[in-house]
Amino acid sequence: GAVVSQHPSWVICKSGTSVKIECRSLDFQATTMFWYRQFPKQSLMLMATSNEGSKATYEQGVEKDKFLINHASLTLSTLTVTSAHPEDSSFYICSATFRVKSVNEQFFGPGTRLTVL
Amino acid sequence: AQSVTQLGSHVSVSEGALVLLRCNYSSSVPPYLFWYVQYPNQGLQLLLKYTTGATLVKGINGFEAEFKKSETSFHLTKPSAHMSDAAEYFCAVSRTGANSKLTFGKGITLSVRP
Repeated sequence: GAVVSQHPSWVICKSGTSVKIECRSLDFQATTMFWYRQFPKQSLMLMATSNEGSKATYEQGVEKDKFLINHASLTLSTLTVTSAHPEDSSFYICSATFRVKSVNEQFFGPGTRLTVL
Repeated sequence: AQSVTQLGSHVSVSEGALVLLRCNYSSSVPPYLFWYVQYPNQGLQLLLKYTTGATLVKGINGFEAEFKKSETSFHLTKPSAHMSDAAEYFCAVSRTGANSKLTFGKGITLSVRP
C-alpha cells in the first residue's frame, strides 16, 4: 500500500516550453503532497507544499509563477514548469502524506528527470 | 528550526563488514527521525523511522538505528553489508504534528566492495 506514481518518468523539452509533471497517490487519499527538486549528488530541496483545494505554499526562493502547482483532488497534484530553461533541468520528486499509526508519513514517487535543451 | 548533519559524503565498506552512517540533528521540539535510501534515478524508500517509544528502531533490509537524545544522534547501522546496499542514504527530521515537512541531510553515498 501507499504507492505514489509520477508521470512522466523523464522528459526532454525545448527552452521556452512548459512541462507538466503529475504526482498520483494510487491507493490512498493524500490531503498534503510535497514537491522536491534534486540536483546531481545533492540532497532533496523542498520546493512547495501542496494541499488539496487550496493554494500551494512555496519555500523561500522558489518562484511560484515559474513552478505552478495544482492539487485538484485528493489523489493528484501537478507541477508545471513554465517557460523552462536549461537551469530548470533537474530531478523532480513528489511525495504524498499518509497517516501510519498516528504519524503523518511521506511516501515518495519515483521521480521525473527533466532535461531542458 | 530543524537541521540534519550527515558528516562526510562517501562511505566505503567491504561486503560483510559493518555499515555505520552517522546522523546528527538539531530540533527545538521532540523530533521524528527518518532514514531513507535512494537508488540511482529513483525516489526515496523509507528504511526506518523513530517517532516515540523504543529508541532502537529496526527497519527493512537488516538496518537499524538508535535515537540518542543526549547526543542528538540517529546513526544507521547494519551488521553485514551486502552489495545491494550500495546507494545514497538520507537522514531526515520532521516536527511532530499534522505538518510532516521533512528536513533532509545532504546524504551519504555508500559503496560496498566485493
